[in-house]
Amino acid sequence: AQSVTQPDIHITVSEGASLELRCNYSYGATPYLFWYVQSPGQGLQLLLKYFSGDTLVQGIKGFEAEFKRSQSSFNLRKPSVHWSDAAEYFCAVNDQAGTALIFGKGTTLSVSS
Amino acid sequence: EAQVTQNPRYLITVTGKKLTVTCSQNMNHEYMSWYRQDPGLGLRQIYYSMNVEVTDKGDVPEGYKVSRKEKRNFPLILESPSPNQTSLYFCASTFTSGYEQYFGPGTRLTVT
Repeated sequence: AQSVTQPDIHITVSEGASLELRCNYSYGATPYLFWYVQSPGQGLQLLLKYFSGDTLVQGIKGFEAEFKRSQSSFNLRKPSVHWSDAAEYFCAVNDQAGTALIFGKGTTLSVSS
Repeated sequence: EAQVTQNPRYLITVTGKKLTVTCSQNMNHEYMSWYRQDPGLGLRQIYYSMNVEVTDKGDVPEGYKVSRKEKRNFPLILESPSPNQTSLYFCASTFTSGYEQYFGPGTRLTVT
C-alpha cells in the first residue's frame, strides 16, 4: 500500500535561514507527488507537484522540491525562510487508483526572529 | 475565481442530530472528495466521487454518507453524529484522477 512519511513533526528555523522538509514515500510505480501548505485556520494550498520529467520542480512562494527515486524521497526546500512561511506542510502521493491523495502526517514549521 | 466552497465553516452540534456539510466547485471538475483532518493523523479520505451518481468509500467512511446529484455539488451527510466525528473536514476536487486536488477552506465540526 502507498504511504508517506514525514519524519519531522516540528521544525524551527531562523528567519532568513534555509529550510529542508523531508518526505519519503512508498509506491509501486512512478508516483505523482505533491506538497501542500496549511496556514493556521486555512485550507490546503498546493505548493508544487511532480508528475514526470525534471526531478527538480519549482513551486510558488520560492519553494522547490527534488524527486529522488533511489531514495524514495521528495524533500521540500527554500533558500531563505520568511516569517510568513510558518505553517504546516504536508507531503502527499496519489494512490494507485488515482482516486485519493495519501498524506503524510505533516511537519509544523516555526520561524524564529 | 476558481474555487471550492464549503458551508458551514464552523458547526457545533449534539450527538445524534443529523447534519449536512455542503461543498461546491466551479471548475467543472469530475472528481470530488471529502477528507477529515485529525491531529497527528494527517488527512484521510472519507468518500470520493468520480462523476454524477458515482461515489465510493475512502479510508474512513463509517458514519458518513454522500451524494452527487450535480457535477458541482458533493454534500457530506452525518445522519447520527457522534463525538468521534469531531474533526476538521475538507472537500476537494480535481479535473481527473491522479492530478492535484483543490481544497475548500474546511469545516470545523464539534459534536458534543
